[in-house]
Amino acid sequence: DSGVTQTPKHLITATGQRVTLRCSPRSGDLSVYWYQQSLDQGLQFLIQYYNGEERAKGNILERFSAQQFPDLHSELNLSSLELGDSALYFCASSVVPSAVGAFFGQGTRLTVV
Amino acid sequence: TQLLEQSPQFLSIQEGENLTVYCNSSSVFSSLQWYRQEPGEGPVLLVTVVTGGEVKKLKRLTFQFGDARKDSSLHITAAQPGDTGLYLCAGAPSVKTNFGNEKLTFGTGTRLTIIP
Repeated sequence: DSGVTQTPKHLITATGQRVTLRCSPRSGDLSVYWYQQSLDQGLQFLIQYYNGEERAKGNILERFSAQQFPDLHSELNLSSLELGDSALYFCASSVVPSAVGAFFGQGTRLTVV
Repeated sequence: TQLLEQSPQFLSIQEGENLTVYCNSSSVFSSLQWYRQEPGEGPVLLVTVVTGGEVKKLKRLTFQFGDARKDSSLHITAAQPGDTGLYLCAGAPSVKTNFGNEKLTFGTGTRLTIIP
């Protein structure tokens, strides 16, 4: 158990819909990262938050947004979903600096039908 | 953009054999991490190497960080079926634009299968 909790574990939804993925980081970790993993793309960095502020952005689509709340949990919002958004979405957390390593949740498997 | 290339992409060997997986980049990293991921699970941190030339051992796994901090290798001795999984390297940037901004760049992954 990494200490990072992601909900839900599985999500099936239709194209055009909007979903919210939730992440609770390890106790004491201020940094939260979101990654997307699909079969042909590997682990793609989406966005990082540190203590409530956005700190780094990767190849995140404009249809996607995220935030980190005062209690440090984070949510990733995916809207106008397309078939190609089907993937595993991982949240990771780390102490600062993350050079010591990040701890991943079990992921949310999103299937868009 | 910092890219990490891993080789080989796929590796299938018999139980008891030795193997080495490589992680290469043209960029310098402040640290390099290795993760193992099993199907349907999140990556699990195995080790972090920080100093150029550093070698760390974790039972039968030996990790080395290149002298120039641009590459790393993972060597497994006497591989066992439990070593099967996707091995990922990840680099933390050496130049931080601001405190707390430390995006981890992941390698392309090596899918390892150990045949009993």
